[in-house]
Amino acid sequence: AQTVTQSQPEMSVQEAETVTLSCTYDTSESNYYLFWYKQPPSRQMILVIRQEAYKQQNATENRFSVNFQKAAKSFSLKISDSQLGDTAMYFCAYNSGGSNYKLTFGKGTLLTVNP
Amino acid sequence: DAGVIQSPRHEVTEMGQEVTLRCKPISGHNSLFWYRQTMMRGLELLIYFNNNVPIDDSGMPEDRFSAKMPNASFSTLKIQPSEPRDSAVYFCASSRRGQGDEKLFFGSGTQLSVL
Repeated sequence: AQTVTQSQPEMSVQEAETVTLSCTYDTSESNYYLFWYKQPPSRQMILVIRQEAYKQQNATENRFSVNFQKAAKSFSLKISDSQLGDTAMYFCAYNSGGSNYKLTFGKGTLLTVNP
Repeated sequence: DAGVIQSPRHEVTEMGQEVTLRCKPISGHNSLFWYRQTMMRGLELLIYFNNNVPIDDSGMPEDRFSAKMPNASFSTLKIQPSEPRDSAVYFCASSRRGQGDEKLFFGSGTQLSVL
């Protein structure tokens, strides 16, 4: 079974600095999808960024980028120029696509951006 | 695009009462998911619909839980009778599966408190 591990329960960063959140996963599939979701205090789960495993280029969305290391099964999220509004729980998630519809989530990392 | 719409946002009820949670998926999405989030268990998939048909309800904890999707724009999750251990945040999510887009979009969730 696929598993997603986020080894950092909590992290903090100063405003305007850069922070990296870690995620590792376990799978025997060759193609799959990886996601980072953000859950602010408002509770809504917001898709931050998505990566398809067959694409070697790391995904980027404005201040958010990933470091996808397929061989190491690592999928870290880098947040540049951190803002107070980035304070949230961040969940890494995996889906093998195709007929598999289940999204497997990690336990989450609570990120606090300090002024 | 209004996003996934859930109601109510908060629900407080007494043990033994019936609770109905509602969800309107994003127009054009063919898949709908109900998730439950608790501190202890994280995000759990309860049930998955594809084209209004329940495909996998193995995550539904007990017979007290039931879900329906009478049409492409509406789904309900019902708990009858409710128990204190059902207290959690319930999320509805939708996606366009099988169309090359595996992104899952979540509603704002319903915070359920069973006293």
